[in-house]
Amino acid sequence: GQSLEQPSEVTAVEGAIVQINCTYQTSGFYGLSWYQQHDGGAPTFLSYNALDGLEETGRFSSFLSRSDSYGYLLLQELQMKDSASYFCAVRSDSSYKLIFGSGTRLLVRP
Amino acid sequence: EAGVTQFPSHSVIEKGQTVTLRCDPISGHDNLYWYRRVMGKEIKFLLHFVKESKQDESGMPNNRFLAERTGGTYSTLKVQPAELEDSGVYFCASSQDRGSGNEQFFGPGTRLTVL
Repeated sequence: GQSLEQPSEVTAVEGAIVQINCTYQTSGFYGLSWYQQHDGGAPTFLSYNALDGLEETGRFSSFLSRSDSYGYLLLQELQMKDSASYFCAVRSDSSYKLIFGSGTRLLVRP
Repeated sequence: EAGVTQFPSHSVIEKGQTVTLRCDPISGHDNLYWYRRVMGKEIKFLLHFVKESKQDESGMPNNRFLAERTGGTYSTLKVQPAELEDSGVYFCASSQDRGSGNEQFFGPGTRLTVL
């Protein structure tokens, strides 16, 4: 089967840094994406890593290690509005369909 | 630019009834996807259209689910007859063809409750 593992919940303080890990087991691998979803809202794209290393976009960074089948999303200078669910997703073949993890619920406290 | 829209936002039906969900992708996006999230679990792929053609329907759970995309614009997903386990949030997403296809734009979802 194909699966992605990520923690179910993470709590952090406003202004802090938090890392959300994702490990995957898929039949193939083209890239790892991260999506953010606020309650009742649409998942929104944050980042995509196809190659090993760190990609930085403002306060958010995403890392990939293909040899370890592992990636993480790093959120810096946390703000209350970052409270949301974060999903990692793998593109496992030449199609663009995504295989998602179960999501990590991030709660940012004052 | 308008985003992906879905209708209805919520639907409550009884077991055995029929429900049709609609998705309007971003204008010009050839790729359209349907996903489903059952309570607390992962978002699961259902199928993928490229224009009006079904590219991949490997995620469709059974023949009670029928998706169409006539004319390559909006898409419908019909569930007939609905069962209790069909409850969940149904998401539609769209993306441009190739190149930028790694970023999928999601709609807000339709929350389906089957009683």
